[in-house]
Amino acid sequence: GQQLNQSPQSMFIQEGEDVSMNCTSSSIFNTWLWYKQDPGEGPVLLIALYKAGELTSNGRLTAQFGITRKDSFLNISASIPSDVGIYFCAGLRRAGGTSYGKLTFGQGTILTVHP
Amino acid sequence: EPEVTQTPSHQVTQMGQEVILRCVPISNHLYFYWYRQILGQKVEFLVSFYNNEISEKSEIFDDQFSVERPDGSNFTLKIRSTKLEDSAMYFCASIITSGASTDTQYFGPGTRLTVL
Repeated sequence: GQQLNQSPQSMFIQEGEDVSMNCTSSSIFNTWLWYKQDPGEGPVLLIALYKAGELTSNGRLTAQFGITRKDSFLNISASIPSDVGIYFCAGLRRAGGTSYGKLTFGQGTILTVHP
Repeated sequence: EPEVTQTPSHQVTQMGQEVILRCVPISNHLYFYWYRQILGQKVEFLVSFYNNEISEKSEIFDDQFSVERPDGSNFTLKIRSTKLEDSAMYFCASIITSGASTDTQYFGPGTRLTVL
């Protein structure tokens, strides 16, 4: 099946620092999504990317859909303590027919921000 | 802002018992999903559902699992005879099926299933 390799697995940073994480795959995806998950809760959508090469921002977050459609990165600028959590990339590949596709998730990046 | 809701938030059951997990997708969404996340692992696709039938399912979704949309608002996942390895967070998700953002899946808060 499709696999997403997400790195790094974890990051420990100081408040105010910038953060970068990325996902790569051997398969092409139609859409890339970035989610944040707090302990015991569901993934919350941060950014959605629909076209190869697309660069999208949401506040301090910036994400890009790679030109090859096989990778994506997420940057967080000027981190704050509430950025703590697990960040997941997810790729969607449409199966055709009546299927709208399913998400394949990366393994997650655990972010810790020290005040 | 509309959101996906799930009940219960936590379900504890004995091995071999049946459980039903409930979801209310966003009201104008027509395509629904169940995913699961074993503690400390990534989120995994189980099944997608559209127009009152399964659209796609993973190898995890065996004969012990079933899904149903019993009315216009609820979407359920039934596990017929639970096993210890079914212990996980189960997430419901939904998408709108028209417009520019059809690929964007919105997740519920999850049900933590513990099988003893």
